[in-house]
Amino acid sequence: KAGVTQTPRYLIKTRGQQVTLSCSPISGHRSVSWYQQTPGQGLQFLFEYFSETQRNKGNFPGRFSGRQFSNSRSEMNVSTLELGDSALYLCASSLAAGTGGLYTFGSGTRLTVV
Amino acid sequence: DAKTTQPPSMDCAEGRAANLPCNHSTISGNEYVYWYRQIHSQGPQYIIHGLKNNETNEMASLIITEDRKSSTLILPHATLRDTAVYYCIVRPGETSGSRLTFGEGTQLTVNP
Repeated sequence: KAGVTQTPRYLIKTRGQQVTLSCSPISGHRSVSWYQQTPGQGLQFLFEYFSETQRNKGNFPGRFSGRQFSNSRSEMNVSTLELGDSALYLCASSLAAGTGGLYTFGSGTRLTVV
Repeated sequence: DAKTTQPPSMDCAEGRAANLPCNHSTISGNEYVYWYRQIHSQGPQYIIHGLKNNETNEMASLIITEDRKSSTLILPHATLRDTAVYYCIVRPGETSGSRLTFGEGTQLTVNP
């Protein structure tokens, strides 16, 4: 079956712009989590959505937001981009929220802010 | 989630077993040990998890000590494609929080 699909794969944006990233979970999975990975901070949890509701949120500023649609697809948005937002953004899906530690990750979106 | 400690890097010869250790001395009774790996520029991939018994699947074996304070992930016949960062994560197995807390992991390099 198809895995977790993230689009776009690569993105270059300018400081001050905003960006929207998309994630399509595995069919039947209803939970989507987002992570940011940078060389300095490693993998950090952004937020999780289940049934169109944000269930958990990491320690990121309000410029980072997300949403989930009725078909479980999710988007995350970063407004007023800063150079430090350059990172690999990863999406992970699971059957339901809080299903232990079993997640399937996508290949990520590589965002570069110039 | 309990804190884990892993060596920053390890080397292994192709075809040999790779044994990756993880210390989790503050693990609680309801916490599982999960292993993920991340091949360069890809998303992390789930490998295996266990509570207190040793576990084996098609990818690897997980050995958990009797006191559960440490564990070892074993790749029985490492290949070049197993070169990756391996993360040991300890967390409850039930619905008590959805995030995975990744440490720095172990960079495993499999050499020809």
